Amino acid sequence: EIVLTQSPATLSLSPGERVTLSCRASQSVSSKLAWYQQKPGQAPRLLIHGTSNRATGIPVRFSGSGSGTDFTLTISSLEPEDFAVYYCQERSNWPNYSFGQGTKLDMK
Amino acid sequence: QVQLQESGPGLVRPSGTLSLTCAVSGASIRSDKWWSWVRQPPGKGLEWIGEVYHTGSTYYNPSLKSRVTISVDKSQNHFSLNLDSVTAADTAVYFCASVLWGGSELEYWGRGILVTVSS
Repeated sequence: EIVLTQSPATLSLSPGERVTLSCRASQSVSSKLAWYQQKPGQAPRLLIHGTSNRATGIPVRFSGSGSGTDFTLTISSLEPEDFAVYYCQERSNWPNYSFGQGTKLDMK
Repeated sequence: QVQLQESGPGLVRPSGTLSLTCAVSGASIRSDKWWSWVRQPPGKGLEWIGEVYHTGSTYYNPSLKSRVTISVDKSQNHFSLNLDSVTAADTAVYFCASVLWGGSELEYWGRGILVTVSS
């Protein structure tokens, strides 16, 4: 079973700052790593698929990169609506979907 | 755009069966997509439950496989989740979602429904 570990667990930042979130896999995974954003009381929203492809309607300030065991989600300049929990996800251990435990982005 | 809406009882008795339905609009359930269920216990992370194709083919999370049945109703354009022998540990928000073509990411999500297991 592949375990996805996200770091840090919580991050306190201000609007306008640049942030990079980390997702590390316990073993090498395929390139199909995804990132989701979840706000309180809402469903997750797909941000990035295939490691680096923005989903439909996702602003260009969101970008994903990585390979093997190390992946990142970068938000180039935080907007107030970006403060949320972010999850990474992959599916190398077919058919199971593995999710990271999440990184919470707090407004400072 | 695909829209999904979960429905079903918000309270289930221990040892009973949790039954939910996901209504699909904006797409035919017969389209080349898989349809998935995911749950999230209060204050915790996401757990994939399983998915179904319009032919009735399914994949399940091995940890839940013995208790889960997911089916599709093409005439109603919806798909359903049954989870047997529930306990308090099954209390969660249950989401339905569509799988992005290619099969590895969850593209569109319903708003979720909280199901509490309690006597």
